Amino acid sequence: DTEVTQTPKHLVMGMTNKKSLKCEQHMGHRAMYWYKQKAKKPPELMFVYSYEKLSINESVPSRFSPECPNSSLLNLHLHALQPEDSALYLCASSQDPVDEQYFGPGTRLTVT
Amino acid sequence: EDQVTQSPEALRLQEGESSSLNCSYTVSGLRGLFWYRQDPGKGPEFLFTLYSAGEEKEKERLKATLTKKESFLHITAPKPEDSATYLCAVRSFNTNAGKSTFGDGTTLTVKP
Repeated sequence: DTEVTQTPKHLVMGMTNKKSLKCEQHMGHRAMYWYKQKAKKPPELMFVYSYEKLSINESVPSRFSPECPNSSLLNLHLHALQPEDSALYLCASSQDPVDEQYFGPGTRLTVT
Repeated sequence: EDQVTQSPEALRLQEGESSSLNCSYTVSGLRGLFWYRQDPGKGPEFLFTLYSAGEEKEKERLKATLTKKESFLHITAPKPEDSATYLCAVRSFNTNAGKSTFGDGTTLTVKP
């Protein structure tokens, strides 16, 4: 089973809202990732958790806050977002940080 | 800084018309080169990992090859369901484990 699940599939939020994106994998992978993808662009790395510790933060604005409650779960907390933050948010996991990644279906986020 | 360039940007083929996609890369010590397939509005799907020059991998109508400067994704007798964006990504020994550099992708359209 190489499935990564993400909820919700779609999210519309105002600029003053607080919401969370959730990601789950049961493959025993020890690395988990958040990416942001705009239309016709490749995924853009935001955060990497390795063995449940934040190992990479690609200078992401503080209105995005990641959390890794355990080795199977990854959250992305959203607060005071801007319309330009509207995008497809992808979660991925890999056995080890150097291995191939398995992506979830993504959350389509619209900020109004 | 790692760099990945994919060509062509878009490719239109007739069903059964074989062709190749190119991924040129510049890295200081290749840890791995990855090919992914992405359908519109969905997360990328892992296809292949290549580690060293001369390596080849196959899956159904797809074959990936690697040299010291580039990788090719050969598509033999494509079908309409092969239509997607194909992404190439590299990881090097000189960057943080977990960070991939993606190319902009090649969008393949296969007409029946």
